[in-house]
Amino acid sequence: QVQLQESGPGLVKSSQTLSLTCTVSGGSISAYNYYWTWIRQHPGKGLEWIGFVHSNGDGFYSPSLKSRLTISLDMSKNQFSLRLTSVTAADTAVYYCARDQDRYGVDVWGQGTTVTVSS
Amino acid sequence: EIVLTQSPATLSLSPGDRATLSCRASQSVDSFLAWYQKKPGQAPRLLIYDAYNRATGIPVRFSGSGSGTSFTLTISSLEPEDFAVYYCQQRTSRPPWAFGQGTKVEIK
Repeated sequence: QVQLQESGPGLVKSSQTLSLTCTVSGGSISAYNYYWTWIRQHPGKGLEWIGFVHSNGDGFYSPSLKSRLTISLDMSKNQFSLRLTSVTAADTAVYYCARDQDRYGVDVWGQGTTVTVSS
Repeated sequence: EIVLTQSPATLSLSPGDRATLSCRASQSVDSFLAWYQKKPGQAPRLLIYDAYNRATGIPVRFSGSGSGTSFTLTISSLEPEDFAVYYCQQRTSRPPWAFGQGTKVEIK
């Protein structure tokens, strides 16, 4: 059974870069037709789709974050990562990594990691 | 970019009631729509994909319907554990795969 686990700093200073990693266990990150995805939830708000990297390396990002965002795969470690530059308080959120099976939806989620951006 | 609008924002119901949640898309998504349940402190859970197919392990009281631009999630008889926030998400070949703003189902 595939499991995902986020890791990274819980506190980031404003204007710096946020880096999060999602470790995939129980399955290969390069297998089949999966979209390895990041989603966040701001405090008291709804779910915000951030973007994905496909198992073939292709990616797509939210237009609102595209200029600051990179999502990448590390096949050797069976991980994928999020890198968000120039963070502000508006990037404070719970960040989820997830496995997306295209039309079949996001079926596996990490537990989420809270990131706070401080001034 | 496809925008999803959910209604109502909040639904106040009692256990045993029927819940009907709506999701409208700004353009046709055919049947490529998913529904999720989100509880505080927990990761979201996939309920429905392809508008009406229940995901693995989802109880039969959850059902989805609709196509094109208008979709409905129905919970036939609310159980105490069903009080949560529900989100729809478009699943066409055209990302971004944004979510609707959510409908909170609360205890009346």
